[in-house]
Amino acid sequence: DAGVIQSPRHEVTEMGQEVTLRCKPISGHDYLFWYRQTMMRGLELLIYFNNNVPIDDSGMPEDRFSAKMPNASFSTLKIQPSEPRDSAVYFCASSNLKNHEQYFGPGTRLTVT
Amino acid sequence: AQSVTQLGSHVSVSEGALVLLRCNYSSSVPPYLFWYVQYPNQGLQLLLKYTTGATLVKGINGFEAEFKKSETSFHLTKPSAHMSDAAEYFCAVSVGNYQLIWGAGTKLIIKP
Repeated sequence: DAGVIQSPRHEVTEMGQEVTLRCKPISGHDYLFWYRQTMMRGLELLIYFNNNVPIDDSGMPEDRFSAKMPNASFSTLKIQPSEPRDSAVYFCASSNLKNHEQYFGPGTRLTVT
Repeated sequence: AQSVTQLGSHVSVSEGALVLLRCNYSSSVPPYLFWYVQYPNQGLQLLLKYTTGATLVKGINGFEAEFKKSETSFHLTKPSAHMSDAAEYFCAVSVGNYQLIWGAGTKLIIKP
């Protein structure tokens, strides 16, 4: 298996622009998680899905952030409009019902100038 | 509410010395416990996990951890540190809803 795939790996954008991060979970995994990691705040859970349905989005910082999972093999995290304080590494992870392990993608490093 | 505490944001050891990274958790139900490692500019990778059964768990790269219910601890150890062990280590607890509660992480520094 290719593991969790994220794109792009790096994104540099200007303040006010829309940013879309993409994730392909491991095939057969029922859960998908979006995290944000910064030096100041560490690893934060933004939202997670079960069977494509959002279960808990209480970690989404503002209405500027939105996430979708239109099918079992694809999810997006969108920031519109982006701000410099959104600069961080965003990770996607997936998991299945057999165990509680989460498998992480390589992350997307977002820089908003 | 469940929580995870990792003692020490940075731990420095000499190459060849014992590595001990501390993790304490609070949980009202039997937990699943995990240690993950993050190398620079990479995602998190599972080192080891405890679910049920044997309380001493062995993981990759020579690491092991012991679940001590009475102490609500799950400390990570390695007998002899290597330079390649330099990374950030995260302890996490799962309490049944597949969401992991994460510790703040401990950066392990290896001195030559």
